[in-house]
Amino acid sequence: GQQVMQIPQYQHVQEGEDFTTYCNSSTTLSNIQWYKQRPGGHPVFLIQLVKSGEVKKQKRLTFQFGEAKKNSSLHITATQTTDVGTYFCAGRSGGGADGLTFGKGTHLIIQP
Amino acid sequence: NAGVTQTPKFQVLKTGQSMTLQCAQDMNHEYMSWYRQDPGMGLRLIHYSVGAGITDQGEVPNGYNVSRSTTEDFPLRLLSAAPSQTSVYFCASSYSWRQLSGNTIYFGEGSWLTVV
Repeated sequence: GQQVMQIPQYQHVQEGEDFTTYCNSSTTLSNIQWYKQRPGGHPVFLIQLVKSGEVKKQKRLTFQFGEAKKNSSLHITATQTTDVGTYFCAGRSGGGADGLTFGKGTHLIIQP
Repeated sequence: NAGVTQTPKFQVLKTGQSMTLQCAQDMNHEYMSWYRQDPGMGLRLIHYSVGAGITDQGEVPNGYNVSRSTTEDFPLRLLSAAPSQTSVYFCASSYSWRQLSGNTIYFGEGSWLTVV
């Protein structure tokens, strides 16, 4: 079945440093979504990418979808303490309703 | 709109007990699902439903039952609780899973379940 690998599992950064998490799929994706989960909270939708090579920005967050639609990345510039949490990618490849697969997430820990 | 509401938020069960986690959404979403989240395992799909009267198994369905008698409600039943079912459970919904637009997943706030 489809696998979505996400690295790194944990990332410690100093406040103000940049952060990047990467997502790789074993199959070509029709779209990829990114979610953020604060500690003790629930996942919250951030963005969806659909087109090959697509780049979208949300303030300090930049999301990219690879040309082959098998990988994606989330980059945060100049991290702030409010960025703490776990970032998940979720990719859809199959046509079925169970075709969305989540990566295991990257835990972002920020040291002030 | 309340969004996705799940109850209870916390529950402790003894091995062998049964219980139901309730989930309701008021957004008229056709797609509802249940995930469990365990450390290092990410979110794993338990069961899902694409509409009232239709349910199907996800990645880890064993030990769980679901039903979808209405569009709004999607309860998850633990038949005979086991310590391996200690986890955080999230109910989720989306307007449509078919279309690239409208398939944003909205999660409930989670239910922390401990089986002793």
